[in-house]
Amino acid sequence: DVKVTQSSRYLVKRTGEKVFLECVQDMDHENMFWYRQDPGLGLRLIYFSYDVKMKEKGDIPEGYSVSREKKERFSLILESASTNQTSMYLCATRTGGWVTPEKLFFGSGTQLSVL
Amino acid sequence: DQQVKQNSPSLSVQEGRISILNCDYTNSMFDYFLWYKKYPAEGPTFLISISSIKDKNEDGRFTVFLNKSAKHLSLHIVPSQPGDSAVYFCAASSYGKLTFGQGTILTVHP
Repeated sequence: DVKVTQSSRYLVKRTGEKVFLECVQDMDHENMFWYRQDPGLGLRLIYFSYDVKMKEKGDIPEGYSVSREKKERFSLILESASTNQTSMYLCATRTGGWVTPEKLFFGSGTQLSVL
Repeated sequence: DQQVKQNSPSLSVQEGRISILNCDYTNSMFDYFLWYKKYPAEGPTFLISISSIKDKNEDGRFTVFLNKSAKHLSLHIVPSQPGDSAVYFCAASSYGKLTFGQGTILTVHP
């Protein structure tokens, strides 16, 4: 079974702090994704990566950056956290080429609260 | 601009009856559609998918129907079970990128 591990289940941070969300997968998948889930808005794509050191903006990249130095690890960075970034953050991975519509495997999520 | 819409925020069904969850999309470039189920405190898990060249795909109690002309897909669960109570997301793929709907909360009453 694919295992996607997100380092924190719950996180509370203050406005202006730099926040790191970590995601590790154990299945050698090429593609990794960061989504946020908000009530009434569903899952929205923040950033994705289809290879080490490669990254692409998703639909809502503003206020975020990412890092992928190793294939198994994909980090989401909030440079200066704001209250509107309070959300559930979900990491996902999948195999296959970039345009292959393979299914995503998700981590359990990190509930981030910015006060 | 919401390209994938689930217009029913919630659905309540009696155990043993059929659950029908609906999803509409606007982008004609979507070529693959998926349904995910999400329990509280867990990540979404893949349920069933359908390619745009098909109009139906069945997997046990779950069937997905695709109407391309109406840009509409639906998920049928028969018979519904209390363990099916969860949030259901539809998703559409274009060039490998998934766009999700807002989700529908399904509650199956014993």
